[in-house]
Amino acid sequence: NFMLTQPHSVSESPGKTVTISCTRSSGSIGSYSVQWYRQRPGSAPTTVIYENNQRPSGVPDRFSGSIDSSSNSASLTISGLKTEDEADYYCHSYDTRSWVFGGGTKLTVL
Amino acid sequence: EVQLVESGGGLVQPGGSLRLSCAASGFTFSSYWMSWVRQAPGQGLEWVANIRQDGSDKYYVDSVEGRFTISRDNAKKSLFLQMNSLRAEDTAVYYCARIIEATGYYFDYWGQGTLVTVSP
Repeated sequence: NFMLTQPHSVSESPGKTVTISCTRSSGSIGSYSVQWYRQRPGSAPTTVIYENNQRPSGVPDRFSGSIDSSSNSASLTISGLKTEDEADYYCHSYDTRSWVFGGGTKLTVL
Repeated sequence: EVQLVESGGGLVQPGGSLRLSCAASGFTFSSYWMSWVRQAPGQGLEWVANIRQDGSDKYYVDSVEGRFTISRDNAKKSLFLQMNSLRAEDTAVYYCARIIEATGYYFDYWGQGTLVTVSP
């Protein structure tokens, strides 16, 4: 089994850009797609990025995803931060038998 | 409109059993992998189990293997999670989620969750 490690929290000001990392402990980050889910307090998660860098309809292009094989990690970048972006963000990936979520990153926009 | 509605949560004693249900609507249920994901109070998301469209393949997180069983009834558009030998650490909100199988796999719709509390 593998793990996905995220920073516990990040904070940034409105209008700025923030990047959240997600490092895979074993196995290549490029072998299986990485997804990002946003969860606001008291609500179910929603998808903001799937298959490394794809945005579902309705997700603004301020959200972007990427992977970096050299660091075996994925990143979620949110530009033009808005207060409504404040939430918990989880990365997710899998292998042939198990699915794994990162521990989650609390984004504070202040 | 895709809807997933969980039910069956509640308070159960350690060692007890509970069966969760997820009623699906707004899509062809039999065409999708489905999943259960849980979230302990104040904690992060944890994948629990997946099931293939026809129920022929099932995968579980190690911590529930042998105690939990995922199943589905395509005719009734329902997903189930039978949970036996429950432990305090199984206390969580349990979400039903639909899986998209494309170039990769990912969740696209989630229910609102049902709370399971394991306590004496």
